[in-house]
Amino acid sequence: GEDVEQSLFLSVREGDSSVINCTYTDSSSTYLYWYKQEPGAGLQLLTYIFSNMDMKQDQRLTVLLNKKDKHLSLRIADTQTGDSAIYFCAESIQSGATNKLIFGTGTLLAVQP
Amino acid sequence: DTAVSQTPKYLVTQMGNDKSIKCEQNLGHDTMYWYKQDSKKFLKIMFSYNNKELIINETVPNRFSPKSPDKAHLNLHINSLELGDSAVYFCASSPPGGSLHFGNGTRLTVT
Repeated sequence: GEDVEQSLFLSVREGDSSVINCTYTDSSSTYLYWYKQEPGAGLQLLTYIFSNMDMKQDQRLTVLLNKKDKHLSLRIADTQTGDSAIYFCAESIQSGATNKLIFGTGTLLAVQP
Repeated sequence: DTAVSQTPKYLVTQMGNDKSIKCEQNLGHDTMYWYKQDSKKFLKIMFSYNNKELIINETVPNRFSPKSPDKAHLNLHINSLELGDSAVYFCASSPPGGSLHFGNGTRLTVT
């Protein structure tokens, strides 16, 4: 089945690290993504990881993938108030000639000054 | 600017009306999508087109009809609008096997 789960809410203090977790169900997903949605805005691609990788680091962002447990996490180092947003993980499922992204339920990250 | 652009940004209309949302991308992507985001922020795919051909239709009511006049445009027409259609509709595009680039969304309110 297609089901991607995330915790709904995370609150951190400015300067701390944030860790947002995600579990997915389709083991054939080739890519897994993290998107950020600020209030009233569209979805912005933050980073992605290929399914044969365990970790990917991109400046303040670190993505960890545990393929055996189908668990994905996004760590944001030195979290800033501008990081407050909803974060969506998504798994990519091939459907014919196209990709279909199945999104998680979204995690609202609140950064306290 | 290279982007996915949708119009209108806001759409308020009464039940029973017919409305359209337009989407254009200048990224040169072959595939375009419509997603619906409900009031709880759940995002669900509705349609996907590849080079003007319908690839994905995710059990969406017949009242929703996508139209792709060329690979840079994917419009969404909705007939006989219902209260439950109120949501934010996002258009997106992607290169083959690549990540999705989203528009800023159209907030549809049906009264």
